[in-house]
Amino acid sequence: KAGVTQTPRYLIKTRGQQVTLSCSPISGHRSVSWYQQTPGQGLQFLFEYFSETQRNKGNFPGRFSGRQFSNSRSEMNVSTLELGDSALYLCASSPLAGGPDTQYFGPGTRLTVL
Amino acid sequence: QKEVEQNSGPLSVPEGAIASLNCTYSDRVSQSFFWYRQYSGKSPELIMSIYSNGDKEDGRFTAQLNKASQYVSLLIRDSQPSDSATYLCAVRAVGSGSARQLTFGSGTQLTVLP
Repeated sequence: KAGVTQTPRYLIKTRGQQVTLSCSPISGHRSVSWYQQTPGQGLQFLFEYFSETQRNKGNFPGRFSGRQFSNSRSEMNVSTLELGDSALYLCASSPLAGGPDTQYFGPGTRLTVL
Repeated sequence: QKEVEQNSGPLSVPEGAIASLNCTYSDRVSQSFFWYRQYSGKSPELIMSIYSNGDKEDGRFTAQLNKASQYVSLLIRDSQPSDSATYLCAVRAVGSGSARQLTFGSGTQLTVLP
């Protein structure tokens, strides 16, 4: 099975711009979670989607949003970028929402905000 | 607020030795426990998952869980230089909503010296 794929792998943006990141989960996986990883804060949960519905949201401002499509692919959007948004954004997929299922991570998108 | 604490690193062990990585968690309803390995510049890769008290072995890796003490550990036997990476402990409660999110520790950087 192909793993989780994320596009693009690298992005450079300037402050005030917006960005959209894409994630395709493992085939058959219906749950997609997004995480932000920075050297200072570590891995922090952004949100989780299942069956096109946001099931859970972390403690991030409203500039961070996401959605999931009927084929389970997901996108996240960050508007009005700030320097502090520079990070590795990771997408993880799992088969189900609920239960002790395991999350598998994609390669990530490295976002640099100048 | 769930908290996950990992033993401070960095940790250095000689090749062939046993590396011991420790993790404590604050939320007693946590039910699923994971160890991820992350090489520099890469995304986290699942090594082990454990749900029940006791030991779980997979090759050179052994995960140990003690829910009464809220403690989970990872032992790496016969450590190899290729094991040099950051090891992330993650916990999650079974259920819906905010309970489902994976909470990560800050990671322990392991270096295996040839």
